[in-house]
Amino acid sequence: EDQVTQSPEALRLQEGESSSLNCSYTVSGLRGLFWYRQDPGKGPEFLFTLYSAGEEKEKERLKATLTKKESFLHITAPKPEDSATYLCAVLENNNDMRFGAGTRLTVKP
Amino acid sequence: SQTIHQWPATLVQPVGSPLSLECTVEGTSNPNLYWYRQAAGRGLQLLFYSVGIGQISSEVPQNLSASRPQDRQFILSSKKLLLSDSGFYLCAWRTGNNSPLHFGNGTRLTVT
Repeated sequence: EDQVTQSPEALRLQEGESSSLNCSYTVSGLRGLFWYRQDPGKGPEFLFTLYSAGEEKEKERLKATLTKKESFLHITAPKPEDSATYLCAVLENNNDMRFGAGTRLTVKP
Repeated sequence: SQTIHQWPATLVQPVGSPLSLECTVEGTSNPNLYWYRQAAGRGLQLLFYSVGIGQISSEVPQNLSASRPQDRQFILSSKKLLLSDSGFYLCAWRTGNNSPLHFGNGTRLTVT
């Protein structure tokens, strides 16, 4: 069965403590992988699109990478304002967009 | 630039009452429009999508329906709400087959 799995479910970091979030997928064909940030009570905010293995995208303290089976969202020297839930989504060849359940990130000052 | 408006932000409705949630997109033409429901700790569930006026595809059988009366307007409705309809409803749009979805700020629906 096609699925998208994010790990860990929750992550608590100290300010400045770098880490990575994982998004692994088993789908019939990948047309794109998307990362989103979601604050409580808000809709997801688009961060990155990755289309092929080996591709990388960066924005401020965030860097997204993609392999044939998974994607990582690396957070370098996080700040409290980076606290949010991070979602990944996979766009399959059949045009279905499949979302993971998210990683809830908390950054303590 | 494109913006998406979704309202209301929160809604409390009794069981058996009707529902109408609205979503409009500005700054783009002929977008693909989507309604999702998000349950706590779970991924987003696609409810309906539309590629054009009057064209609605349903992903899951349920108590809800959707309509697209205008190019940039998408409406989620129900004739009689159930307790299980409670949740966080998100409207989204995109253009192009490989482009990302862009979401509104959602409606928190509580059915009592």
